[in-house]
Amino acid sequence: EAGVTQSPTHLIKTRGQQATLRCSPISGHTSVYWYQQALGLGLQFLLWYDEGEERNRGNFPPRFSGRQFPNYSSELNVNALELEDSALYLCASSDQGPLSYEQYFGPGTRLTVT
Amino acid sequence: GNSVTQMEGPVTLSEEAFLTINCTYTATGYPSLFWYVQYPGEGLQLLLKATKADDKGSNKGFEATYRKETTSFHLEKGSVQVSDSAVYFCALSRTDKLIFGTGTRLQVFP
Repeated sequence: EAGVTQSPTHLIKTRGQQATLRCSPISGHTSVYWYQQALGLGLQFLLWYDEGEERNRGNFPPRFSGRQFPNYSSELNVNALELEDSALYLCASSDQGPLSYEQYFGPGTRLTVT
Repeated sequence: GNSVTQMEGPVTLSEEAFLTINCTYTATGYPSLFWYVQYPGEGLQLLLKATKADDKGSNKGFEATYRKETTSFHLEKGSVQVSDSAVYFCALSRTDKLIFGTGTRLQVFP
């Protein structure tokens, strides 16, 4: 069974640009979560999508947004990039079934803002 | 609110030493508890979990027991290997997200 995949692996942008990160969940999983892992700050919850809807977001400004497509893949968009947005962005998926709350993570996209 | 506190690292051990990484939590209700591991340059992998009090999660020689009375979920391994060198994250679940501790780096030397 294929795991969670993310693209691109690395992304380099300049301040003020926009970044788009992509995630494909495990087949059969309907929920996608996004987390930011910034240096020294641990893992912070960004967004949760389920069945195409945004269900919850963490304490991040509105320039962090995303969507979930009918095939349950997801996109994270970061507008007006700032230097402190440099981080590893991790996507996770779950099936919200009887073993819900168990999330499976992708390898991440490392975003560097210069 | 909900939070997870982990012991600070790095934890440095010799191969075959005993490992304990402490984790305590604050939560409303009865969350599920997890340990995730992150090897260098990789994403997170689920190491083990426990979904209710007194449950013991185990995998690859690692164990952790869900202790409601002490709100703890300490990670243990009887004999560590160099290949166990990684960052370990304790986490609790809410319906909409995982809440992570800050991570503990483990370094194992031959």
